[in-house]
Amino acid sequence: EPEVTQTPSHQVTQMGQEVILRCVPISNHLYFYWYRQILGQKVEFLVSFYNNEISEKSEIFDDQFSVERPDGSNFTLKIRSTKLEDSAMYFCASSERGAVGKETQYFGPGTRLLVL
Amino acid sequence: AQKVTQAQTEISVVEKEDVTLDCVYETRDTTYYLFWYKQPPSGELVFLIRRNSFDEQNEISGRYSWNFQKSTSSFNFTITASQVVDSAVYFCALIGNSGGYQKVTFGTGTKLQVIP
Repeated sequence: EPEVTQTPSHQVTQMGQEVILRCVPISNHLYFYWYRQILGQKVEFLVSFYNNEISEKSEIFDDQFSVERPDGSNFTLKIRSTKLEDSAMYFCASSERGAVGKETQYFGPGTRLLVL
Repeated sequence: AQKVTQAQTEISVVEKEDVTLDCVYETRDTTYYLFWYKQPPSGELVFLIRRNSFDEQNEISGRYSWNFQKSTSSFNFTITASQVVDSAVYFCALIGNSGGYQKVTFGTGTKLQVIP
């Protein structure tokens, strides 16, 4: 069964450094998403991406974040200058479409980011 | 704004007991979908079920069953004859037409511990 994959599974970085989290969505899916889960808290929506542009983003997704689909398979989340409070599990998800009947989002295993 | 409330933070049951996880939601969307996801200790988010707002039929899948009641805005999840492998955090979630079916709103999760 196709699944969303994410790399790396864990990342440790120093405050102020840039990190890139990578995701490979399910191949026939057209919508891609990033979510964040701070330890012990709920999963929060960051951004959705369709047709090579951001279609929706939350207030969390400020200028330090960016997303990109650099090629036909990868979908990345870049955090430009990490802060301590960026420490979290980051989930990538994909769905066939953002429309009725095709909206179920399938999540990857997550990347646990620790900012020191 | 959409909101999903899971009032039960943690539940402990003894193996083979039945357990019900509560979920109450708020939305002004006319069409929406409700989900349950399971997050085992390994951290990934596993899709369990999707229900649309027009279908109030209860669903059973093996030991899992779901009770959707639009009148009370609830979407409860019952595990029958619980097993140790059911130990996880369970998230109820909502997606609606106002967000273009893109932004999933999660509840805060219920941590279920099944004691052998």
